[in-house]
Amino acid sequence: NAGVTQTPKFQVLKTGQSMTLQCAQDMNHEYMSWYRQDPGMGLRLIHYSVGAGITDQGEVPNGYNVSRSTTEDFPLRLLSAAPSQTSVYFCASSYHRPGPNTGELFFGEGSRLTVL
Amino acid sequence: QKEVEQDPGPLSVPEGAIVSLNCTYSNSAFQYFMWYRQYSRKGPELLMYTYSSGNKEDGRFTAQVDKSSKYISLFIRDSQPSDSATYLCAMRLNYGGSQGNLIFGKGTKLSVKP
Repeated sequence: NAGVTQTPKFQVLKTGQSMTLQCAQDMNHEYMSWYRQDPGMGLRLIHYSVGAGITDQGEVPNGYNVSRSTTEDFPLRLLSAAPSQTSVYFCASSYHRPGPNTGELFFGEGSRLTVL
Repeated sequence: QKEVEQDPGPLSVPEGAIVSLNCTYSNSAFQYFMWYRQYSRKGPELLMYTYSSGNKEDGRFTAQVDKSSKYISLFIRDSQPSDSATYLCAMRLNYGGSQGNLIFGKGTKLSVKP
């Protein structure tokens, strides 16, 4: 059972370059999200989606785009990378309805991005 | 003021000690409270989950929620070196739309020395 898979695990970019972080889940979760984790700042929500075709902004959306064309995939695009986007990025997914499940958020292993 | 406050530590204890980790929050509408554990260079994993107020116990771990004080705690009994990790509190308003988003504390880094 793969769970949440993120690629790449490591990436180095130059300022101004663009790239896409990939995220896929095989648990049929409605909800998917992207967080960034920085020292002393904790996990901050970038964008989230409650289903295919539906996305919305989180706490720190500037400089990032997302799309959700399928239930399984939720890529995060950096349009023009800046050094301030150097961070560890986590994709996470969960069910998004009340029920016997807890709404537990399942995380990927993270993608470590450095922007020079 | 951030919605969820958590002392980042670091916290160092000897093996076998009782550990107390805490978070305070400002939004009284939070209903779902969680503790995640994150090992170095890994993604967070759910450790404990509590709905509304009260206590929940799972082995050596006990989670407490005091909604009147807007304060949640995680206790670890008989701590082990394998408990060395960063512990993040998280909370959510409800299900549906933005209310389903988890708000995290900054995390407390715990080290348990043999």
